[in-house]
Amino acid sequence: EVQLLESGGGLVQPGGSLRLSCVASGFTFRTYTMSWVRQPPGKGLEWVSAISGSGATTYYRDSVKGRFTISRDNSKNTLHMQLNSLRLEDTATYYCAKWIPNYFGLDVWGHGTTVTVSS
Amino acid sequence: DIQMTQSPSSLSASVGDRVTITCRAGRSISSYLSWYLQTPGRAPKLLIYFASNLQNGVPSRFSGSGSGTDFTLTISDLQPEDFGTYYCQQTDITPYNFGQGTKLYI
Repeated sequence: EVQLLESGGGLVQPGGSLRLSCVASGFTFRTYTMSWVRQPPGKGLEWVSAISGSGATTYYRDSVKGRFTISRDNSKNTLHMQLNSLRLEDTATYYCAKWIPNYFGLDVWGHGTTVTVSS
Repeated sequence: DIQMTQSPSSLSASVGDRVTITCRAGRSISSYLSWYLQTPGRAPKLLIYFASNLQNGVPSRFSGSGSGTDFTLTISDLQPEDFGTYYCQQTDITPYNFGQGTKLYI
């Protein structure tokens, strides 16, 4: 069964850091581009970042550039995102998701992990 | 950035109805448009990719059309499990923005 399982969310103060992880199973992880998508409480979906299968290419939305870092460990079938300098507006459920090749869509999603930034 | 605008923002319908949701891109995205359904407390589920391609396992009552800037998602013969929030997403260029969502409720 194709599956993604996120972890690492929690409560953090503004300016703090967290590291999110997503363990993949049921598919050849290293061959697929992966992304993080977030959803603030009661609001819509927001694409955050993407990383190519090899890890050589990364993309970010402007609001997280320089603060968030996406990475992957293909030997452990794991996707990460380091969240630094967290802001109140980063509060959200963070989903990891797998791309259909050629960016045709996100066909597998995890259940999400919740990040709460609050003082 | 490419802005994605969905209409309507909310929609009331009944089981058995046919409904259409539209999504407009701020500039041409060819056919790089996906549709998702999110039900409360769950992750989004891919329904349609590349504007008109039905994802494996998705019922044929869902269909997508359009190219360039204007796209539609049509659901025929609504079923109880179809109620939730629908999102479009452009996958042409980063940031891969989503529309604001269309809440479909009874």
